[in-house]
Amino acid sequence: DIQMTQSPSSLSASVGDRVTITCRASQSISNYLNWYQQKPGKAPKLLIYAASSLQSGVPSRFSGSGSGTDFTLTISSLQPEDFATYYCQQSYSTPRTFGQGTRLEIK
Amino acid sequence: QLQLQESGPGLVKPSETLSLTCTVSGGSISSSSYYWGWIRQPPGKGPEWIGSIYYSGSTYYNPSLKSRVTISVDTSKNQFSLKLSSVTAADTAVYYCAREALLWVGELLGDYFDYWGLGTLVTVSS
Repeated sequence: DIQMTQSPSSLSASVGDRVTITCRASQSISNYLNWYQQKPGKAPKLLIYAASSLQSGVPSRFSGSGSGTDFTLTISSLQPEDFATYYCQQSYSTPRTFGQGTRLEIK
Repeated sequence: QLQLQESGPGLVKPSETLSLTCTVSGGSISSSSYYWGWIRQPPGKGPEWIGSIYYSGSTYYNPSLKSRVTISVDTSKNQFSLKLSSVTAADTAVYYCAREALLWVGELLGDYFDYWGLGTLVTVSS
């Protein structure tokens, strides 16, 4: 199985901050990497697919980059509704695997 | 607007079989561009992919669960279903169904879960 490791596990930030979350794959996955946002009691929501493609309807302050084993999710200017848990997920091989999550909290 | 809705018992006894159905509305399950998947999330943990099915019935499963999992599809009802046998407390989780979109750019370049159900909590307990 491909292991997905996110850092940090938790992060405190303020409204308006620029935030970067990192995801590392245990082997190269090209750009087969997706990012999701999850709020308590809700299903995950797709933000970014194929490492850098913004899902329809997702604000442009979200962006993704990377290829191979190292990927980043960046939120350019945090908004109150962005405080949530973020997960990366690879679709390069079976089984599909998720990172352990990064919890983004209000400072 | 596509919607997915999970249904099934919220409580299952150990050693028994967990059975859930996902009903798709607002779109056809028979589209060639999508698989349909099951994902679970134990309390306080990250998501775990269980398996996915194509409208033709083609499936692929997480090897860690493959011996206990069966996913089937009923295109006439626009539904797909999950059966997980011999459950234990470790199978307690919120179970989600989701649409798995295939990314084609000349060739298949991955997939992603773009629509999710609300999720249903299944507790394994006697």
